[in-house]
Amino acid sequence: QQQVKQSPQSLIVQKGGIPIINCAYENTAFDYFPWYQQFPGKGPALLIAIRPDVSEKKEGRFTISFNKSAKQFSLHIMDSQPGDSATYFCAASHNFGNEKLTFGTGTRLTIIP
Amino acid sequence: GAGVSQSPSNKVTEKGKDVELRCDPISGHTALYWYRQSLGQGLEFLIYFQGNSAPDKSGLPSDRFSAERTGGSVSTLTIQRTQQEDSAVYLCASSFSRDRGRYGYTFGSGTRLTVV
Repeated sequence: QQQVKQSPQSLIVQKGGIPIINCAYENTAFDYFPWYQQFPGKGPALLIAIRPDVSEKKEGRFTISFNKSAKQFSLHIMDSQPGDSATYFCAASHNFGNEKLTFGTGTRLTIIP
Repeated sequence: GAGVSQSPSNKVTEKGKDVELRCDPISGHTALYWYRQSLGQGLEFLIYFQGNSAPDKSGLPSDRFSAERTGGSVSTLTIQRTQQEDSAVYLCASSFSRDRGRYGYTFGSGTRLTVV
């Protein structure tokens, strides 16, 4: 049972554009929603995370939007750069991240100059 | 070192052979996780160790898979009688036991396993 669904599978955006990656979850007990960024040959690294008590969180050019009633959250990358080209994974967990993470299937993002 | 270290980085094995994958977590991280990453499948949870508690083995796909963690530090994932469908990147991660929401997991670079 896939508890976190992620889309699109791949995305190509021109430099300066705003790629948007979407995730939906099923388990209403999830209370922690991070995004991880993975470059080729490396393990994923935490990018930004949100808890369900807020609807938006910004860190630099990265923004998470969260819709609790729809059980959906999304990642927006402002002023995207070629260096942002990577695979992005959404995830969800219980107990504010102190339980194991359930990951989405990933989005391969390419930013073209 | 400062990061999570995994070895070997690449492993090619013949179908039916056993393999052992090693993970050295960050010193002071009491939580350790194994995930499997296959093309188009995202990161699949395998097993989770937290301190001296019994591990959460709920993600292990079959009884051919096992893992242990010695002395609360190094972990070894063992796959017996490997099959071609076991081919994937096996990722290890570690984290603090508390406030994982703030710090997240630190992943190693993985072991790419190819079963031929």
